[in-house]
Amino acid sequence: DSGVTQTPKHLITATGQRVTLRCSPRSGDLSVYWYQQSLDQGLQFLIQYYNGEERAKGNILERFSAQQFPDLHSELNLSSLELGDSALYFCASSDNSDIRSSGANVLTFGAGSRLTVL
Amino acid sequence: EDQVTQSPEALRLQEGESSSLNCSYTVSGLRGLFWYRQDPGKGPEFLFTLYSAGEEKEKERLKATLTKKESFLHITAPKPEDSATYLCAVQARKAGTALIFGKGTTLSVSS
Repeated sequence: DSGVTQTPKHLITATGQRVTLRCSPRSGDLSVYWYQQSLDQGLQFLIQYYNGEERAKGNILERFSAQQFPDLHSELNLSSLELGDSALYFCASSDNSDIRSSGANVLTFGAGSRLTVL
Repeated sequence: EDQVTQSPEALRLQEGESSSLNCSYTVSGLRGLFWYRQDPGKGPEFLFTLYSAGEEKEKERLKATLTKKESFLHITAPKPEDSATYLCAVQARKAGTALIFGKGTTLSVSS
């Protein structure tokens, strides 16, 4: 158990629908990252939040949005779902998001949420 | 653009047959290079962080090395339980703290 909790583990839905994925970071971690993993693209960075504020954006579609709440858990909202959105969605957390820090900080990943769009 | 390329895509070894996995990267200011292990249907599990060229780190049968353009993950006398996908990632200074991943090398070790 990595300490990063993701729910649900599996989700099956239809095209055009909207889903919400939830992530609770490790105790003490202020940063949450969302990644999408598909067979052909590998792990793609979507978005990062630090202590409730958006910190960095990657290849996140406009149909997708995220937020981090005061208790530091985060939700990733996926809307107008398409077949191509079927993938594993991972959340990761870290304890240091200071861009000025000289050290690299380790991301700890959750077990993922598998989304299937039919 | 920051990029990570891993080779080979897949590698099959016999138990005890040592080999190396390659990770080539281009990044505008390296904050750190990471190796993760991922088992099927699970999240990536952290193995190593390397910070500067010449650095080496070891863990059991795994040894990671770093040059200015690439990193190698050496696997010595592998066992079937080492079978997994090994992911390389970089953290770039200008990009904040998100990791940019390669597509991984899937290692299969047979007994």
